[in-house]
Amino acid sequence: GNSVTQMEGPVTLSEEAFLTINCTYTATGYPSLFWYVQYPGEGLQLLLKATKADDKGSNKGFEATYRKETTSFHLEKGSVQVSDSAVYFCALTQTGAGKSTFGDGTTLTVKP
Amino acid sequence: NAGVTQTPKFRVLKTGQSMTLLCAQDMNHEYMYWYRQDPGMGLRLIHYSVGEGTTAKGEVPDGYNVSRLKKQNFLLGLESAAPSQTSVYFCASSYTTSVGTGELFFGEGSRLTVL
Repeated sequence: GNSVTQMEGPVTLSEEAFLTINCTYTATGYPSLFWYVQYPGEGLQLLLKATKADDKGSNKGFEATYRKETTSFHLEKGSVQVSDSAVYFCALTQTGAGKSTFGDGTTLTVKP
Repeated sequence: NAGVTQTPKFRVLKTGQSMTLLCAQDMNHEYMYWYRQDPGMGLRLIHYSVGEGTTAKGEVPDGYNVSRLKKQNFLLGLESAAPSQTSVYFCASSYTTSVGTGELFFGEGSRLTVL
């Protein structure tokens, strides 16, 4: 079956530090890949996505590149802010399927 | 911009009681899902629906039932609540694309405590 493995947290960074959250996946075919963010007390919302190999998703300064050769979709941001403190989920949707598979989430705390 | 709306947002039940969580979406999405979120366990799929009148089991369906009588609504029922069902429940919906489904749109969550 499909699976998503995320870097374990929690991750604590100082403001303006560089962020990487690793995500690798196992799936057949060519899944679509997503990063979702969950701010405290809220539901998840889409941060960025990529639907085919070598695609780069980007939003709010965050980026992730779909790497089929390494089955990875690592999330990066060059300079984090306190407002980026949240839980980040990597997920995949199998082509033609109606379900998504989520990683366990990585909690990021950014200190001023 | 209602999106996905869940009711109620908070509920406390006693063991053995029953209740229904309602999810409504106004985006005309075909797919709808119920997840539960527990500390350290990420999101786990309970049940999902690929269209009006259809439902299917997810990863952790035991103790729950669902119905999708109208395209915009997806109900999650607990017939006899147990303390192990204390969790935050999220409803989500998604649209279909030429290669499968698009991203999920989530509700704000329903926090359920079973005493």
